[in-house]
Amino acid sequence: GQQVMQIPQYQHVQEGEDFTTYCNSSTTLSNIQWYKQRPGGHPVFLIQLVKSGEVKKQKRLTFQFGEAKKNSSLHITATQTTDVGTYFCAGEGEYGNKLVFGAGTILRVKS
Amino acid sequence: KAGVTQTPRYLIKTRGQQVTLSCSPISGHRSVSWYQQTPGQGLQFLFEYFSETQRNKGNFPGRFSGRQFSNSRSEMNVSTLELGDSALYLCASSFTGGSQPQHFGDGTRLSIL
Repeated sequence: GQQVMQIPQYQHVQEGEDFTTYCNSSTTLSNIQWYKQRPGGHPVFLIQLVKSGEVKKQKRLTFQFGEAKKNSSLHITATQTTDVGTYFCAGEGEYGNKLVFGAGTILRVKS
Repeated sequence: KAGVTQTPRYLIKTRGQQVTLSCSPISGHRSVSWYQQTPGQGLQFLFEYFSETQRNKGNFPGRFSGRQFSNSRSEMNVSTLELGDSALYLCASSFTGGSQPQHFGDGTRLSIL
């Protein structure tokens, strides 16, 4: 079945440093979504990418969807303490199957 | 507009018991999905209901079951609880499911003693 791998599992950065998490699917995706879960909270939808090679920005966050629609990345520029949490990618297969979540990347920011 | 509501927030049970969790989706949302979250395992998909029908199912044993009512509210039941069932159970809703963004509730934290 469809699998979504996410790396790294954990990253601890100094405030102001950049951060990137990567997501790879075993199958081609129709779209990929990114979520953020703050400590003690629930996942909150950030963005959805649909087109091959798509790049979207939200302030300091940049999201990319690979040309082959099998991988994606989330890059945060100049991290802040408010960025702490777990970032999940979630991919939907080509044939409209269920969303499959990656294991998430835990981000800690040291001030 | 009220968000996704899950009850109860916390539950403590012992092995062998059964439990029922409840989820009220955002008004107008007809798709409800359930996920199990454990440390290091991410969100494991349990099942999705749409218009009172189970539309998708994850790889969990038959002890895990669910249903959806005509008002889109959903319940999840776990029978013969095992220690490994301790987890945060999250419910998420969307208008029609599929590729639509999921709106999550705060979850029910289930602890098995």
